[in-house]
Amino acid sequence: AQSVTQLGSHVSVSEGALVLLRCNYSSSVPPYLFWYVQYPNQGLQLLLKYTSAATLVKGINGFEAEFKKSETSFHLTKPSAHMSDAAEYFCAVSDRNDYKLSFGAGTTVTVRA
Amino acid sequence: ETGVTQSPTHLIKTRGQQVTLRCSSQSGHNTVSWYQQALGQGPQFIFQYYREEENGRGNFPPRFSGLQFPNYSSELNVNALELDDSALYLCASSRRTSGSVETQYFGPGTRLLVL
Repeated sequence: AQSVTQLGSHVSVSEGALVLLRCNYSSSVPPYLFWYVQYPNQGLQLLLKYTSAATLVKGINGFEAEFKKSETSFHLTKPSAHMSDAAEYFCAVSDRNDYKLSFGAGTTVTVRA
Repeated sequence: ETGVTQSPTHLIKTRGQQVTLRCSSQSGHNTVSWYQQALGQGPQFIFQYYREEENGRGNFPPRFSGLQFPNYSSELNVNALELDDSALYLCASSRRTSGSVETQYFGPGTRLLVL
């Protein structure tokens, strides 16, 4: 069974600083990996996905993530934080034969002016 | 292109009652998945429907049931509501085709409060 662990339930960054959100996965088969963002009182919006093509994946709003098989990681980064990046971020995994998503517990990002 | 929509947005029920939540999938999508998100937690998979049949189920009791209709819209039914059923219920739709990655797109959710 696949699962993800998000390290750090809260991350606080200054506006313009690097955003780094950590995600480690556990899967018995090559996984598909996703990052979603959730703004207050809203559903989940897809930021980016890894599907075994390029290991560096670029998403919306300037976010990108790198798949590292040796570290079983899929960390999300953004070079320069904006106030609008304040939200909850979820890492999720699925495998090629089971279409359900397994989510991490989430990381709340706050951005300081 | 219309995204995933859910109704109602908010709902208050009392313990023991039954509730039906509705979801309209995104245009061109043939698969619907339902998730429960308790406060402060990540979403948990309830079940998925493809071609009007349940196609995978998470660790939820049988009082959680669903339907998918020919137009690919879906319902989630919960019987004998318990206090712990209070959560945000998310619907996600996707397009299942052989040999391609299935990406799920989420609706805004229905927030259920059980008193």
